[in-house]
Amino acid sequence: DTGVSQDPRHKITKRGQNVTFRCDPISEHNRLYWYRQTLGQGPEFLTYFQNEAQLEKSRLLSDRFSAERPKGSFSTLEIQRTEQGDSAMYLCASSLWGGYGYTFGSGTRLTVV
Amino acid sequence: AQSVTQLGSHVSVSEGALVLLRCNYSSSVPPYLFWYVQYPNQGLQLLLKYTTGATLVKGINGFEAEFKKSETSFHLTKPSAHMSDAAEYFCAVTLNTGNQFYFGTGTSLTVIP
Repeated sequence: DTGVSQDPRHKITKRGQNVTFRCDPISEHNRLYWYRQTLGQGPEFLTYFQNEAQLEKSRLLSDRFSAERPKGSFSTLEIQRTEQGDSAMYLCASSLWGGYGYTFGSGTRLTVV
Repeated sequence: AQSVTQLGSHVSVSEGALVLLRCNYSSSVPPYLFWYVQYPNQGLQLLLKYTTGATLVKGINGFEAEFKKSETSFHLTKPSAHMSDAAEYFCAVTLNTGNQFYFGTGTSLTVIP
């Protein structure tokens, strides 16, 4: 069990550029979640997958955001045409269905300049 | 709808003193409650959780929390603060084992030597 891995740890991008983040969950976990955390706030739910199916999306997930989990293993979160308001820590977490509590990754910190 | 409120965005205690971090929840059905800790530029680490059964739950690093339904509270305590406890603490609620979590805004704990 190597935990939840996120890549990259930090990303600085210019406004208007596209960015993609990757999350590798704990291998036996079938649920995967994306959260966004801005400075001084708790994490806010974006979306989650059970296996490869995206089961729920938050209204925070605008049409510039898209998430995939093509084979039910790793997941990607893409942000198109980034805006300064997208600057945040993007956290991935995984769990077993029926399990209690997530395991979080260390996050990807996005800075849009 | 479910939510948590963390009273006190900043708490300072002396090393060796009691730590008390407050969390009140709102939920229309019996909740599952969690405390997470976050160190700078890190993801969130599960401290402890309440799902069912015993209302006093013990977690890692000497922390414990008591679920009080009558007070809709789930306060986090530790008898004796250690310098390494300095971090951000988040209370979270979910309705079942797999749905999204709702996090509080966090409490920053400072430990004074």
